[in-house]
Amino acid sequence: QSVLTQPPSVSGAPGQRVTISCTGSSSNIGAGYDVHWYQQLPGTAPKLLIYGNSNRPSGVPDRFSGSKSGTSASLAITGLQAEDEADYYCQSYDSSLSGWMFGGGTKLTVL
Amino acid sequence: EVQLVESGGGLVQPGGSLRLSCAASGFTFSSFAMHWVRQAPGKGLEYVSALSTSGGSTYYANSVKGRFTISRDNSKNTLYLQMGSLRADDMAVYYCARRNWGVRDAFDIWGQGTMVTVSS
Repeated sequence: QSVLTQPPSVSGAPGQRVTISCTGSSSNIGAGYDVHWYQQLPGTAPKLLIYGNSNRPSGVPDRFSGSKSGTSASLAITGLQAEDEADYYCQSYDSSLSGWMFGGGTKLTVL
Repeated sequence: EVQLVESGGGLVQPGGSLRLSCAASGFTFSSFAMHWVRQAPGKGLEYVSALSTSGGSTYYANSVKGRFTISRDNSKNTLYLQMGSLRADDMAVYYCARRNWGVRDAFDIWGQGTMVTVSS
């Protein structure tokens, strides 16, 4: 069981908006540690999608956005495209573990 | 091109050992902390281990503590993971990743992964 909780799956039609939540606690997200998001396309390595809660690396479309509030964070994807179908993971640091951890991952299906 | 390339995976019997390597190129390897992350078949990402730039500070997930050792050779631009007392639940694709202070300590570069199979 992951310290960071994500919904196992979300889905949406092309063009729609979806959000993926990442719920932590006072020892990780709530303690002020940054949340990062990764996209893993089928059969490939994870790719950094959002860093520092809400920043996009160069090359990531602005359809992807991140936010953080309290002990939770969210990834929003607007204008869904078929190519967005992938697994998405949140990541943060946990002071009680003194280490990093990932959420359990969310599979996005584009209907 | 900035890249990480893992090697050393393969089939190993339960209780056996294996050493993974991660060759870095295209950046100043010695300036970045490095990490190992694994993914069991059909499962999510699991954090394994971390190593500071000099190699003086390490972190291990509880699941591998005492069995795995992370190290680096900055002269060879290579990260290692020595794995011992391997168990069935260690079977996974192992990724190395670079932690970059320039992106708020996110893991901005990942290797393609190397598969470790533990079976008799």
